[in-house]
Amino acid sequence: AAGVIQSPRHLIKEKRETATLKCYPIPRHDTVYWYQQGPGQDPQFLISFYEKMQSDKGSIPDRFSAQQFSDYHSELNMSSLELGDSALYFCASSSGSWGYEQYFGPGTRLTVT
Amino acid sequence: AQSVTQLDSQVPVFEEAPVELRCNYSSSVSVYLFWYVQYPNQGLQLLLKYLSGSTLVKGINGFEAEFNKSQTSFHLRKPSVHISDTAEYFCAVSESGNTPLVFGKGTRLSVIA
Repeated sequence: AAGVIQSPRHLIKEKRETATLKCYPIPRHDTVYWYQQGPGQDPQFLISFYEKMQSDKGSIPDRFSAQQFSDYHSELNMSSLELGDSALYFCASSSGSWGYEQYFGPGTRLTVT
Repeated sequence: AQSVTQLDSQVPVFEEAPVELRCNYSSSVSVYLFWYVQYPNQGLQLLLKYLSGSTLVKGINGFEAEFNKSQTSFHLRKPSVHISDTAEYFCAVSESGNTPLVFGKGTRLSVIA
């Protein structure tokens, strides 16, 4: 079965650089979520989109922005990167027609040096 | 606001022994409850979920959990663990379908041969 695809899987950036993370949800899933998981931490919700509109907003820094495109893929744009942004970034997708559970991608490991 | 408390940060257990990972939640509204497992350097995999109905839910890999509304708990159990069950386990809650997950801090299950 198709799963959530995230790219890249690993990314190394320097402080003050920008990064773009991509997420391709499971086909026919209408909701995409972004989570950030710091080292040894639980995942923290950043932002979500339902049918290409922002639906919920969590602890996403102002330096970050995200959007969902017409093909339902989503991108998380991160600017002025800081050392503390080093984390695993997960994308998850869900659908009300499929029981609401969120299916997670493998994550993008971002390292800021 | 919702919150999740996982009472044990680490649980060591011998192979083929039973295990219980504890989870308590707080919420002013009805909730959906989930258990996810995370293997090292991997994404989150859904073990089981409670949306409504029977309070005993069965999941993958022989795990089950019981929803107890009066005690606001959703403890995860397995009657006989294997080495391959060694992983981080996260309890999570959401207010309804298509809303963000709030995770507990996680419990690291270590199965000892």
